[in-house]
Amino acid sequence: KQEVTQIPAALSVPEGENLVLNCSFTDSAIYNLQWFRQDPGKGLTSLLLIQSSQREQTSGRLNASLDKSSGRSTLYIAASQPGDSATYLCAVVPSYSGAGSYQLTFGKGTKLSVIP
Amino acid sequence: DAGVTQSPTHLIKTRGQQVTLRCSPKSGHDTVSWYQQALGQGPQFIFQYYEEEERQRGNFPDRFSGHQYPNYSSELNVNALLLGDSALYLCASRRTGGNTEAFFGQGTRLTVV
Repeated sequence: KQEVTQIPAALSVPEGENLVLNCSFTDSAIYNLQWFRQDPGKGLTSLLLIQSSQREQTSGRLNASLDKSSGRSTLYIAASQPGDSATYLCAVVPSYSGAGSYQLTFGKGTKLSVIP
Repeated sequence: DAGVTQSPTHLIKTRGQQVTLRCSPKSGHDTVSWYQQALGQGPQFIFQYYEEEERQRGNFPDRFSGHQYPNYSSELNVNALLLGDSALYLCASRRTGGNTEAFFGQGTRLTVV
């Protein structure tokens, strides 16, 4: 059974700092990995999708890397801003066997606070 | 593009009642999944619908059922509500095929009293 762990559970940094969020998964045979952001009481916003054949993806100040062999992914946020404060969730798709089989397995998230 | 929309936003039900939650997928998406998120936890997969059929199911009892309509919209039904069913229910949609990302709605907050 695939398990996803995110460390730390909470992180507080001063504005402007670069930071790294960690995600680990127990089974390296994944299909995709996706990073999400969740504001309190709200839905999930997709940040980055990394396909199993890729090593990293970038979007603006965000960079996500994937190391399947070690079962790890990192989300790097450059020049953090107070608006980045949210919970960041990592999810893997353990396998894909065709239409209707795309199931996400989530970690519990890292709650980020960026202090002005 | 309205993205994934869910209704209602909030709902309060009494233990033992039944509830129906609704989801309209993002334009161009044909697969809909439902997730349950308890406070402080990551979302847990309930089931996924494609071509109006349940294709995959997580570890949830038969009290949880669903439906997908020809326009790809979907419903989640929960019967005989328990206090432990109180959670944020999230709908996700994606376009079938290849490496396409999943998009989520804003969720329905269900409180069972």
